[in-house]
Amino acid sequence: EADIYQTPRYLVIGTGKKITLECSQTMGHDKMYWYQQDPGMELHLIHYSYGVNSTEKGDLSSESTVSRIRTEHFPLTLESARPSHTSQYLCASSEGGQKNTEAFFGQGTRLTVV
Amino acid sequence: GDSVTQMEGPVTLSEEAFLTINCTYTATGYPSLFWYVQYPGEGLQLLLKATKADDKGSNKGFEATYRKETTSFHLEKGSVQVSDSAVYFCALSDRTNAGKSTFGDGTTLTVKP
Repeated sequence: EADIYQTPRYLVIGTGKKITLECSQTMGHDKMYWYQQDPGMELHLIHYSYGVNSTEKGDLSSESTVSRIRTEHFPLTLESARPSHTSQYLCASSEGGQKNTEAFFGQGTRLTVV
Repeated sequence: GDSVTQMEGPVTLSEEAFLTINCTYTATGYPSLFWYVQYPGEGLQLLLKATKADDKGSNKGFEATYRKETTSFHLEKGSVQVSDSAVYFCALSDRTNAGKSTFGDGTTLTVKP
């Protein structure tokens, strides 16, 4: 069983609020990722990190920001939530280096902005 | 860049039917290939993987063979069950892309009793 956790599982919040989605893993993985999953189930990479103090934007432009101060923690923040941010957000991690290893996923956070 | 193309869904089958979900890929290096499954309300979990050409990954009755000559990794199962209803994602991880994963668009499978 994967040791990667996301909180909250579900969040309903008003427009303009600041929110932080939490993601933590206990596997010591260097690489971590945030994906946005649309209703058609496609995954869109919005942020990734290859280690502490390393963050990069993904393939899909996002108004969110991330930080990686500790190996195990990779929170995602929206400074001002909008209805267009309503989506499922999935966090994942994988081993570091040049290894082609599988990704481990959290259970996701379903965000609804009203 | 890397890409993964999956058979479009949704796919609806009767219980005990044979399943094939096609997947082809493009990669600059020598990728590892994966199939992930996502059950309703959950994150993705690894179903099977293959790390080099001609490897066969298998798990829970599902199989896929890494075909370098056709750049394919098709998922098969001989007899599906209602409990196999889920979304299936083909993916690759490429060392030349720092091991970053590339996912297909997902195929929704519904198995009816």
